[in-house]
Amino acid sequence: DAEITQSPRHKITETGRQVTLACHQTWNHNNMFWYRQDLGHGLRLIHYSYGVQDTNKGEVSDGYSVSRSNTEDLPLTLESAASSQTSVYFCASSGEGEADTQYFGPGTRLTVL
Amino acid sequence: AQSVAQPEDQVNVAEGNPLTVKCTYSVSGNPYLFWYVQYPNRGLQFLLKYITGDNLVKGSYGFEAEFNKSQTSFHLKKPSALVSDSALYFCAVSPQYNFNKFYFGSGTKLNVKP
Repeated sequence: DAEITQSPRHKITETGRQVTLACHQTWNHNNMFWYRQDLGHGLRLIHYSYGVQDTNKGEVSDGYSVSRSNTEDLPLTLESAASSQTSVYFCASSGEGEADTQYFGPGTRLTVL
Repeated sequence: AQSVAQPEDQVNVAEGNPLTVKCTYSVSGNPYLFWYVQYPNRGLQFLLKYITGDNLVKGSYGFEAEFNKSQTSFHLKKPSALVSDSALYFCAVSPQYNFNKFYFGSGTKLNVKP
């Protein structure tokens, strides 16, 4: 069955370090998304991609970057981790059709000390 | 600006009773509407969506949702709640003119008591 996986599932890092969260999907979807989930805020979009070599900023993109070199993967990089980036991060993917559902990975819990 | 509101942070219901989780939205045009459920330490799971047509949409696990265009609402319902329905529920809206982007509500925690 097609799926979307994220690694690591849990990560503890220190302020100032670079961190990369992996997202891999086997749906063969062109659209991929990164969200963060914080209490009281629901899900907020960080970055998204509509295909290989395409990346776009979401509503909370400061301090994050992504790159898309193939269809299956969209890694999220925190260039210099800050305590405000402590959160749960979800990757999602979808097809390109109207009303296509977004399918989510299991999430990565990141703690920045 | 697009927005989705889930006015209740928490809904408490007894097992066997009907449940409603509310969602209202502010989006230009005719949006596509979604409900997701999240169990502890898990990702979001798709429940159902409204595209067009019948205002009552049926989804997974016995859930359904009613679309009301005049009230810009898309409330999630279930005739008889189960303890296992206890989870966090998210409403999401996708604008028809930019359907690849989703806007999520802040979530409603559903507690079903035995």
